[in-house]
Amino acid sequence: DQQVKQNSPSLSVQEGRISILNCDYTNSMFDYFLWYKKYPAEGPTFLISISSIKDKNEDGRFTVFLNKSAKHLSLHIVPSQPGDSAVYFCAAIVSNFGNEKLTFGTGTRLTIIP
Amino acid sequence: EPEVTQTPSHQVTQMGQEVILRCVPISNHLYFYWYRQILGQKVEFLVSFYNNEISEKSEIFDDQFSVERPDGSNFTLKIRSTKLEDSAMYFCASSDDRGSDTQYFGPGTRLTVL
Repeated sequence: DQQVKQNSPSLSVQEGRISILNCDYTNSMFDYFLWYKKYPAEGPTFLISISSIKDKNEDGRFTVFLNKSAKHLSLHIVPSQPGDSAVYFCAAIVSNFGNEKLTFGTGTRLTIIP
Repeated sequence: EPEVTQTPSHQVTQMGQEVILRCVPISNHLYFYWYRQILGQKVEFLVSFYNNEISEKSEIFDDQFSVERPDGSNFTLKIRSTKLEDSAMYFCASSDDRGSDTQYFGPGTRLTVL
């Protein structure tokens, strides 16, 4: 049961351009969404999150957009840098102020081409 | 910056043996989690732990698995009798008690069952 889906297993983007990573979910109970970045042999590193009461959250080069009606979120990275090359996971939670499990997508491998 | 640490980084064991994976969560965090990622698959929730008891566990977390917080800093995952299919990266995560849903991950332990 894939409640969180990342349909693009890989994405290549030219350095300096915008990277857009997409994520879809099916569980309408999810109300908090997170993006994690993962390098090989390391744990997921938290990037940015968004609550379902918002439709956009921005932090530096990273912006997450949430479209609740479409059950879709996206992560925009602009401008893309070589250090952004990693696997990006979308994750979702049914929020209860702590102690909830993250449901992860399958990840998208982003490669930034110099 | 505080971080979650895990030991060992790599554990090789024979099928049927017991293993204990160790984690030191971020010091002021109160919620603790174990996840795993089988090679090529997504990160999956195993168990969450709060106030010295399991809050939620997945169907993966059967009787062969147990968790413990033996002291004020460590959080352990024990697999009593390992199977070949237990080979995976095991990630510990923790979150605070301020209503934040952000979980911070350790670097993982690669478990190889032969």
